[in-house]
Amino acid sequence: EDQVTQSPEALRLQEGESSSLNCSYTVSGLRGLFWYRQDPGKGPEFLFTLYSAGEEKEKERLKATLTKKESFLHITAPKPEDSATYLCAVQAGQTGANNLFFGTGTRLTVIP
Amino acid sequence: KAGVTQTPRYLIKTRGQQVTLSCSPISGHRSVSWYQQTPGQGLQFLFEYFSETQRNKGNFPGRFSGRQFSNSRSEMNVSTLELGDSALYLCASRNNFGTASSYEQYFGPGTRLTVT
Repeated sequence: EDQVTQSPEALRLQEGESSSLNCSYTVSGLRGLFWYRQDPGKGPEFLFTLYSAGEEKEKERLKATLTKKESFLHITAPKPEDSATYLCAVQAGQTGANNLFFGTGTRLTVIP
Repeated sequence: KAGVTQTPRYLIKTRGQQVTLSCSPISGHRSVSWYQQTPGQGLQFLFEYFSETQRNKGNFPGRFSGRQFSNSRSEMNVSTLELGDSALYLCASRNNFGTASSYEQYFGPGTRLTVT
């Protein structure tokens, strides 16, 4: 059965304290792995797409990497405005059709 | 370019009623997907529409239905509401269907449905 697991559930960091969020997955026929950021009361905001093992993407203080079993979202020198829930999702299966599985997210709090 | 819009933003209904939610995708996007988000289950896929046809469906009962219009706008309907239907309902659009690069989806702000 397709599964996406994110850890930790919650993470508190001091401003400037770098860390990583993990997303492990077991799916058949991975077609893409996505990272989203979600602020309270809002819809998820698209961050990155990764398609193959070894791929990396960067945006400001965020860097996403992908292996055959998991993805990491590295946060370098975070700021309080990085506080949000970070969601990982995988697209698998039938070509073209949306079949997106989401993890339950990591709630990140950055303390000034 | 305007983002995905959803109306209404908040809704309170009682058990047994039905509800219709609306979603307007990003201009030029022809695929619309619906998701349910709850604290316990997280984000779960409901269904996807492309060119007015349902292309894929998640594991939800038949009380949940949708449709898409020729201008790509979509509606979702839930009949015979239950307390467990209380959730944030999110709509997402993407600009194509059938190619790897088109899997990136952009979400609206959601409709918060409360069933009492």
